Amino acid sequence: AQSVTQPDIHITVSEGASLELRCNYSYGATPYLFWYVQSPGQGLQLLLKYFSGDTLVQGIKGFEAEFKRSQSSFNLRKPSVHWSDAAEYFCAVGAGSTLGRLYFGRGTQLTVWP
Amino acid sequence: GAVVSQHPSWVICKSGTSVKIECRSLDFQATTMFWYRQFPKQSLMLMATSNEGSKATYEQGVEKDKFLINHASLTLSTLTVTSAHPEDSSFYICSARQVNTEAFFGQGTRLTVV
Repeated sequence: AQSVTQPDIHITVSEGASLELRCNYSYGATPYLFWYVQSPGQGLQLLLKYFSGDTLVQGIKGFEAEFKRSQSSFNLRKPSVHWSDAAEYFCAVGAGSTLGRLYFGRGTQLTVWP
Repeated sequence: GAVVSQHPSWVICKSGTSVKIECRSLDFQATTMFWYRQFPKQSLMLMATSNEGSKATYEQGVEKDKFLINHASLTLSTLTVTSAHPEDSSFYICSARQVNTEAFFGQGTRLTVV
């Protein structure tokens, strides 16, 4: 069965500092992987996705993520965090051919100190 | 492009009544739509997958008779929470996709049952 683990429930960083949010997945085949961001009371905004090809993917708002098959990981990174990045971040794995059928991690709440 | 709209954004209903939530794809034809539920400060849980013109496929543990899903057209899916009770209070989010694309999310509906 597919599952996603985000080991960090809450991360606090200073504005301008670098950021890495961890994500590990369990899936029997080649996964489709996603990172979403959610502001309070809002829907989900797609930051980036990995389907195949280059394992380092670039997303919006300066985010990037690297797919590491050997570690079953898809960590999200940003070199310099802005106060507006404070939000909830979700990693998700897509099941097989049904790209929209997603299984989400528990989320990581990011707090940014000025 | 790829805009998904949910209506209403929030709704309060009395215990025992039914409430309908709409999910519309505004600028594309959604062959498949998905419904998720999110409890406060928790992840999104996939409830069901619906294909236009077909019966919805529910995830294990989701009550079919409680959460009625209809996908009557390529741009509209509805979720009806029947005989709602306070424990049904939650944030409900839909997503929609075309063939061979990832899904796009609506902004969510906050349901409060009093």
